[in-house]
Amino acid sequence: GESVGLHLPTLSVQEGDNSIINCAYSNSASDYFIWYKQESGKGPQFIIDIRSNMDKRQGQRVTVLLNKTVKHLSLQIAATQPGDSAVYFCAGLNAGNNRKLIWGLGTSLAVNP
Amino acid sequence: DAGVIQSPRHEVTEMGQEVTLRCKPISGHDYLFWYRQTMMRGLELLIYFNNNVPIDDSGMPEDRFSAKMPNASFSTLKIQPSEPRDSAVYFCASSFGGFYGYTFGSGTRLTVV
Repeated sequence: GESVGLHLPTLSVQEGDNSIINCAYSNSASDYFIWYKQESGKGPQFIIDIRSNMDKRQGQRVTVLLNKTVKHLSLQIAATQPGDSAVYFCAGLNAGNNRKLIWGLGTSLAVNP
Repeated sequence: DAGVIQSPRHEVTEMGQEVTLRCKPISGHDYLFWYRQTMMRGLELLIYFNNNVPIDDSGMPEDRFSAKMPNASFSTLKIQPSEPRDSAVYFCASSFGGFYGYTFGSGTRLTVV
């Protein structure tokens, strides 16, 4: 069945370094992807999204890269800060009549001071 | 804007009791989603509404779960009777226009003992 998964369940980085969180998806017809950040005790918070007609999109300190050839996307966080510590989820919108987001299980990012 | 408001934040109930979770979406949003989050299964879409009408309830685990949206500013998710395996964090989210970058509430942590 369809799935959106992440390569690593946990990622530990030093403050100030760049972080890269990876995500793979199985449905080649997915045409929209979102990254969410979830801090402890809170609901997921929208970070950035990208449509399948793009291969890169930048936000404030974040960049999402989409490689449709290998069905892979990544979230890059520049100059990682302690406040970036959270669980990061990718989600893909499956195309077709029954459109719904398919969520990955999340990657926990820990930022070491 | 106060965002998506959920109540209660925490609920502890005994097995067999009825549980009602409440959600107030962001004013002007026409989509409302109910999600369940557990460590084992991650985020699961239970049901979503468009203009107060249930569109897809295929994620509702069984007949013990029901959801209503009597008006554009209020929705409920009811579990009757509750079971220990229903213990999870339940999130409500809303958006304008569909699945694109919706806003989550802070969630209700349900514990059934």
